[in-house]
This record gives sequence, C-alpha cells and structure tokens, in this order.
Amino acid sequence: AQKITQTQPGMFVQEKEAVTLDCTYDTSDQSYGLFWYKQPSSGEMIFLIYQGSYDEQNATEGRYSLNFQKARKSANLVISASQLGDSAMYFCAMRDVNAGGTSYGKLTFGQGTILTVHP
Amino acid sequence: DGGITQSPKYLFRKEGQNVTLSCEQNLNHDAMYWYRQDPGQGLRLIYYSQIVNDFQKGDIAEGYSVSREKKESFPLTVTSAQKNPTAFYLCASSISSGRRQETQYFGPGTRLLVL
Repeated sequence: AQKITQTQPGMFVQEKEAVTLDCTYDTSDQSYGLFWYKQPSSGEMIFLIYQGSYDEQNATEGRYSLNFQKARKSANLVISASQLGDSAMYFCAMRDVNAGGTSYGKLTFGQGTILTVHP
Repeated sequence: DGGITQSPKYLFRKEGQNVTLSCEQNLNHDAMYWYRQDPGQGLRLIYYSQIVNDFQKGDIAEGYSVSREKKESFPLTVTSAQKNPTAFYLCASSISSGRRQETQYFGPGTRLLVL
C-alpha cells in the first residue's frame, strides 16, 4: 500500500527566507507521480508542483521547487523568498498509475504541514 | 472562467437525513473525484468516476452514494448510513485518469455539519 509521511506538523519561516517542507513516500511501484498542494484557510486545494518518478530533473514552478531524491523516497518542497501569503497548510500527495492493473488516478495524501510566515 | 464549483458552502444534516452535495465542472474533464477531509488530516478518497455513467468506490465509500449522468456533474449523497458525516468535502477533476502526471484540480469544498 502507498503511504505519504510528512513529519513536520508545523513550520515557521521569516518573510523573504527559504523554507523546506519534508515529504517521504512508500510505494512498490516504479511509475508514480508526486504532487504538492497548498490549502489556505479558505479550504480550497491549490496545485503547486508535480514530479514524475522517471523525471531526471527536479521540478520547478516559480518560487516552488521539488527536491526529489528517488533512492531515499523523498520529495521535499522548497519555497524560496517566502511571502506572507504562503501561510497555509501544505500537502504532499502521490498518484499510483497502476492499481490492481487499472489506472484510476487515486491520490494518497500526507497529513500536511502548517506553514506560518512571519513578517 | 473554467473551474469547479461546489454547493452549498455549508450544509447541515439532521439525524437520519440524506443530503446531497453538488459538484459541477466546466473544464471538459473526463474524471471526477470526491474526497473527505477531517480536521487536521489529509484527504481520503470516497468515490471516483472516469467517465459518464461509470463510477468506482474509493477507500471510504460506505455511507455515501454518487451518480455521473452528465460529464459536468458528479453529485455526492451522504446517506443516513454514514454515522460520522461531519467533515470537509472536496470535489476534484482531471482530464482523464490514465497518466501519472495528470493533475487533479479541486473545487472550494463543502463543510457538512450534523445538527
């Protein structure tokens, strides 16, 4: 069974500094996708960044980058130049392409990390 | 603007009552999903649908039912059999569910409370 672990319940960062949110995963599959979502207090899940298991380069999207270490099964999110608006809950999720021989796109989520950005 | 809408934003359920949560998308996506989120927790999959007139149970389907009569709509009914329905419900959609890089996009959610 797939499992996502986010070991940091809460993180604090000073505005304009960088912060790393940890994510480790467990899967027996070779083909999978890793996602990070942001959930502000309003509740909506906002897609941030994607990393495929076969991608050789770390994904980047603006101020977001993903530190992907396949051998360690980790996919940490790095937010550079933090802004007050980055304060939110952040979820790491994994998508299994093959589940019982059928691909159905289920996302397995971690417990989340609450990020607070201080001015 | 393309997107996913969910209604109502807040929903109150009385004991023994069935309630239906609406989810509509105009993204022309084939696949749609329902997730449940409990306070301080990640999301868990309730039901998903890859195509019209087809849907499958997720990890926590007991006490819930869905229908997919139109591509744009995927309503979720919380039945009286669901003994602990208080949660935040999120609907999502994706182009199709066949590739690992497909991104799921989420609606704003519905908070369900039991009176």
